[in-house]
Amino acid sequence: DAGVTQSPTHLIKTRGQQVTLRCSPKSGHDTVSWYQQALGQGPQFIFQYYEEEERQRGNFPDRFSGHQFPNYSSELNVNALLLGDSALYLCASSLVVSGETQYFGPGTRLLVL
Amino acid sequence: GENVEQHPSTLSVQEGDSAVIKCTYSDSASNYFPWYKQELGKGPQLIIDIRSNVGEKKDQRIAVTLNKTAKHFSLHITETQPEDSAVYFCAAGKTGGFKTIFGAGTRLFVKA
Repeated sequence: DAGVTQSPTHLIKTRGQQVTLRCSPKSGHDTVSWYQQALGQGPQFIFQYYEEEERQRGNFPDRFSGHQFPNYSSELNVNALLLGDSALYLCASSLVVSGETQYFGPGTRLLVL
Repeated sequence: GENVEQHPSTLSVQEGDSAVIKCTYSDSASNYFPWYKQELGKGPQLIIDIRSNVGEKKDQRIAVTLNKTAKHFSLHITETQPEDSAVYFCAAGKTGGFKTIFGAGTRLFVKA
């Protein structure tokens, strides 16, 4: 049973560039949430996708956008990168009918120079 | 706004001793409280969770308690082992998986 997978594992970008991160949910899961984890801090909720729609959003600017595909996989896009966007980006999947339990992927570490 | 506070930020114990991590939450509508363990270079791993209709839950050496009135919940690890060394996060969420708020984390060191 495959768990949550994310790609790439590491990424280096420069200010102003755009980045796309990818996530495949745990087998059988239909909901994907994205989190940003700065060094030494807890994960911060960015947004959640279900049925290819953004279901809820945290306090992140519109530079952060996402998409969910019919196979439940998801992408996180960040435009006009800032130095402060450097962080570990985590994807978590869950099954909406069973409630709250989320399983995290290993994350993508983004460094913005 | 919604907030989860976690204490202590760092905890060092001798192997075999117990470790306790405490969290408080602000949103009274929260009814789901997971705990995650994060090792270096990895994503958070769910170790135990508790729902608001339950006051205590135990799984081998790990137990969680919840006081909804005081908005407190705690993680207890007994008979700690060196492999328990990691960062532990508490979180508070709601039925349906809506926005889960995480604490800042506790770095646990278990000394052999």
